[in-house]
Amino acid sequence: EVQLLESGGTLAQPGGSLRLSCAASGFSFSSHAMTWVRQAPGKGLEWVSTISGSGDTAYYGDSVKGRFAISRDNSKNTLSLQMNSLRADDTAKYYCARGHGGAFFFFDSWGLGTLVTVSS
Amino acid sequence: QLELTQSPSASASLGASVRLTCTLSSGHSTYAITWHQQQPGRGPRFLMKVDSDGSHTKGDGIPDRFSGSSSGADRFLTISSLQSEDEGDYYCQTWGTGIQVLFGGGTRVTVL
Repeated sequence: EVQLLESGGTLAQPGGSLRLSCAASGFSFSSHAMTWVRQAPGKGLEWVSTISGSGDTAYYGDSVKGRFAISRDNSKNTLSLQMNSLRADDTAKYYCARGHGGAFFFFDSWGLGTLVTVSS
Repeated sequence: QLELTQSPSASASLGASVRLTCTLSSGHSTYAITWHQQQPGRGPRFLMKVDSDGSHTKGDGIPDRFSGSSSGADRFLTISSLQSEDEGDYYCQTWGTGIQVLFGGGTRVTVL
């Protein structure tokens, strides 16, 4: 069974940094692109970033480009999101999602999410 | 400009059917989309991918009550024999050139 478990969400200061993790199990992790999607309170889903299975290619949404960095450790089946220069509008629940087969942007499994609150 | 449009809300009686629509913007009528369900307080769940020819690929364990179809720029999700646990938000999602990854605004389904 595919399982994705996010962690690392907490209260952070504006301008601060935070690192999120997603522990994956139940599938061949390195064979799938992985993605972070976020959801601000009471709002819809917003794509954040995607990384290839090998980790050599990454894509970012315009709202986080230059501030966030996605990475993965295939030896530990872990996906990460380094979040820098945090802003109030980064407040959201962050979900990791698995790419379907070899697809980058077709998501077929989701985690439960971890909540990031950016506030002074 | 690639965009996805969804109606904010839909409702139907218990046991009835409801059809949700996701409309692709002009010039993008051949794009595939995916549907995701989000029950209250929970993470999203992949339901299916719907291609422009109406064919669809469902996620593991998705009941037969959920089906997908297409017509022009519209992509549909039909839920038959509506059950109380079908209440929640339904999002469509697509991707395009120039690394555009979009979600629709979501449709909230209420079971009457």
